[in-house]
Amino acid sequence: EAGVAQSPRYKIIEKRQSVAFWCNPISGHATLYWYQQILGQGPKLLIQFQNNGVVDDSQLPKDRFSAERLKGVDSTLKIQPAKLEDSAVYLCASSRPQGNEQYFGPGTRLTVT
Amino acid sequence: SQQGEEDPQALSIQEGENATMNCSYKTSINNLQWYRQNSGRGLVHLILIRSNEREKHSGRLRVTLDTSKKSSSLLITASRAADTASYFCATGGYAGTASKLTFGTGTRLQVTL
Repeated sequence: EAGVAQSPRYKIIEKRQSVAFWCNPISGHATLYWYQQILGQGPKLLIQFQNNGVVDDSQLPKDRFSAERLKGVDSTLKIQPAKLEDSAVYLCASSRPQGNEQYFGPGTRLTVT
Repeated sequence: SQQGEEDPQALSIQEGENATMNCSYKTSINNLQWYRQNSGRGLVHLILIRSNEREKHSGRLRVTLDTSKKSSSLLITASRAADTASYFCATGGYAGTASKLTFGTGTRLQVTL
């Protein structure tokens, strides 16, 4: 089966600009996750969708970050405006209904200058 | 927030030796998973152990879980250069009916020839 797809792979922007990341999960996976991984740390969950509903966004900085999952498939994560501390790898993952294992995409490396 | 803390933060061994990594966590869990991350393949699931299990094996991997001490260990036997990566424990729970993971801080393993 095809894996989780993410784009772009790399993005460099200036602070206060906006940026968007796209994720296409594995077909049939109901749950989709966005993580932020800062260099040297473990992934931190930003938002979790089940189908097209949000089940956990407690760690999403809602003043600047937003995410949507249209039709319960693809998802987009947006940052507006970006700050220097947003420099990180943004990982998308998906899991099967009732599944515990998560499958990760290659990530988008964001650099904010 | 990070649930688990891995110990040691970094480990360097020679090929053929065994590598042991430990993970401590704070709250009750449904399961505990180990993931590997390297630059070539991204973040990949290795093994899952449920809260009612004490030990699990998969190939050269052996995982133990002690829920009374809130700790887990990952043993890689007969290590290879290809095992060079960062290893993360992730505690598993649920957000609604969907699986939710909280990652630790990671152990960087270097296997030299």
